[in-house]
Amino acid sequence: SQQGEEDPQALSIQEGENATMNCSYKTSINNLQWYRQNSGRGLVHLILIRSNEREKHSGRLRVTLDTSKKSSSLLITASRAADTASYFCFSSGGYNKLIFGAGTRLAVHP
Amino acid sequence: DVKVTQSSRYLVKRTGEKVFLECVQDMDHENMFWYRQDPGLGLRLIYFSYDVKMKEKGDIPEGYSVSREKKERFSLILESASTNQTSMYLCASSWVASGTYEQYFGPGTRLTVT
Repeated sequence: SQQGEEDPQALSIQEGENATMNCSYKTSINNLQWYRQNSGRGLVHLILIRSNEREKHSGRLRVTLDTSKKSSSLLITASRAADTASYFCFSSGGYNKLIFGAGTRLAVHP
Repeated sequence: DVKVTQSSRYLVKRTGEKVFLECVQDMDHENMFWYRQDPGLGLRLIYFSYDVKMKEKGDIPEGYSVSREKKERFSLILESASTNQTSMYLCASSWVASGTYEQYFGPGTRLTVT
């Protein structure tokens, strides 16, 4: 299977804590993306990091990419209850290399 | 705002029926995608279209076909529905020019085949 892998599968934290989730992929990529899915808004794009970048920030999100290890991590700082959702990485290596990970379920408790 | 709409949120069909799932996007995107989402498996690509009447198979095309007669509309067809096609189906679209395949998703159709 070409499916990407994410860990942990599930994560439970308190509001204010940081949440880190990891993604590993198998093919060469042009970029790696993270998406969030919750029941209210469906699946939404969060952030994209290109293969020649190592780190990127957007608000409370920080993404790192290590192409030598074929891995990426998403850090959400100062988590809020509204961050409760499933998070998916997506590796993009061309039209025939479009692969989502299995996702990490994040629960943030007030 | 980009809007991707899917014809039904919930659908119940019988085994052997022909099923049509419709997707429409309003941002003139060239690329359109159909995925199925199952617990523990994430999203798996069924078919991808990069232009009208053009299509490429994804990872799991068996049992499915697609149609794209107009740029804004991409249909997924289950020729003879089976119980193992019970799933959440997600449609997405993206611009070709960005080259990134950053996708905008519809709300999904939860299909149950009995």
